[in-house]
This record gives sequence, structure tokens and C-alpha cells, in this order.
Amino acid sequence: AQKVTQAQTEISVVEKEDVTLDCVYETRDTTYYLFWYKQPPSGELVFLIRRNSFDEQNEISGRYSWNFQKSTSSFNFTITASQVVDSAVYFCALSDYGITQGGSEKLVFGKGTKLTVNP
Amino acid sequence: GAVVSQHPSWVICKSGTSVKIECRSLDFQATTMFWYRQFPKQSLMLMATSNEGSKATYEQGVEKDKFLINHASLTLSTLTVTSAHPEDSSFYICSASPLAGADTQYFGPGTRLTVL
Repeated sequence: AQKVTQAQTEISVVEKEDVTLDCVYETRDTTYYLFWYKQPPSGELVFLIRRNSFDEQNEISGRYSWNFQKSTSSFNFTITASQVVDSAVYFCALSDYGITQGGSEKLVFGKGTKLTVNP
Repeated sequence: GAVVSQHPSWVICKSGTSVKIECRSLDFQATTMFWYRQFPKQSLMLMATSNEGSKATYEQGVEKDKFLINHASLTLSTLTVTSAHPEDSSFYICSASPLAGADTQYFGPGTRLTVL
């Protein structure tokens, strides 16, 4: 069965600090996708990144970076120079490749990490 | 691009009534839409997968007669909570996958349901 573990329930940092959100996943599939979503207090989930299991290259997008390590089944997310606007709940998620239907498969979410960035 | 809307954004109803929530993909077509439920301070739990023109696939433990899903077109799926009870109060979120690049789900803003 697929499983996503976000061990950090809550993290609190001061503005400009760097922060890393951990994500560990379990799957028997060799082909899968990993995602990060941000859920601000308004409730709407914002897509941040999708990474497929074939691509272990780390990615950087502005202050955001992601470290995908297949050997440890981890997909960690780092925010550099955090800002108050980064305060939100962040979810890591996993899905199959969708080979059975040729389309998207269901997402399995971690429990989320609540990040609070204080001024 | 990839905008998903939900209506209403919040609803309060009396116990025993039915509530319909709409999920629309505004700028893309979606053969597959998903319905999630989120309790306060908890993660999203998938309720069902909705495919256009066919019956929805419900997750284990989700009552299909209570949570009716209709995916009538490539841009619209509806979730009807029938005979709602206070325990159905929750945050309901839909997501949709574009026909092309179907592996990313884009989420609606959610609907907060409160049953009195």
C-alpha cells in the first residue's frame, strides 16, 4: 500500500530562516509521481511541484527547492529565506503513474506540516 | 491556467436536508475529477473518483448512496450530500486533471459544509 509520512506536525521559524519540510514515502510501484501542495489559511490547495520517479534531479524554483532521494524514499522541500507569506500547511502526496486507465490516479496525502513564519 | 472553481464556498443547512456542491474546471477539460474531505487540522481523504460519463468509484467506507456524484460533462462534477447530519460537516474539496498531462491534479477552493 502507498503511504506518505510527514513526521513534522508543526514548525515555527523566524522570517529569513531556511526551513526544510520532510517527506518520506512508501510504494511498491516502480513508476510514480510525487507532489507538494501548499494550503494557506484560505483553504485552497496550491500546486507547487510534481516529480516523476525517473527524475531524481533536484529542482529549484526561486526560494523553493526540492531534494528527491530514491535511495531513502524521501522528497524533502526547503524554503530559503522564509517569509511570513509562506505560513501555511504543506502537504506531500504520492500517486501511481496511471497506467491502468491512461490517466491520473488518486493521490495519497501525508498528514501535512504546518509552517508558521514569524516576523 | 488550470483553474478549478467550487460553488458554494460555504453552506449551512439543517439536518436531514440535501446539499449539492459543484466543481468546475474553468479553462480546461477534465475526464477525471476527485472529491476529497478534510476535517479540521487533518489531511485530505479521498472520497471518490469521478469519470465523465460513467459511475463514480468510491473509496472504502464512503457511502455512495449518501454522497451522490455526477460527472455530466468534461467541465462539471457535482457532489450531493443527501440527508445531511452534523457529522457530515466538513471541508469538501474537489480536484480535476486535464486531459493532457493527466498526472497533475488542480484543486478547487473547497466548500465548507456545516450541518446544524
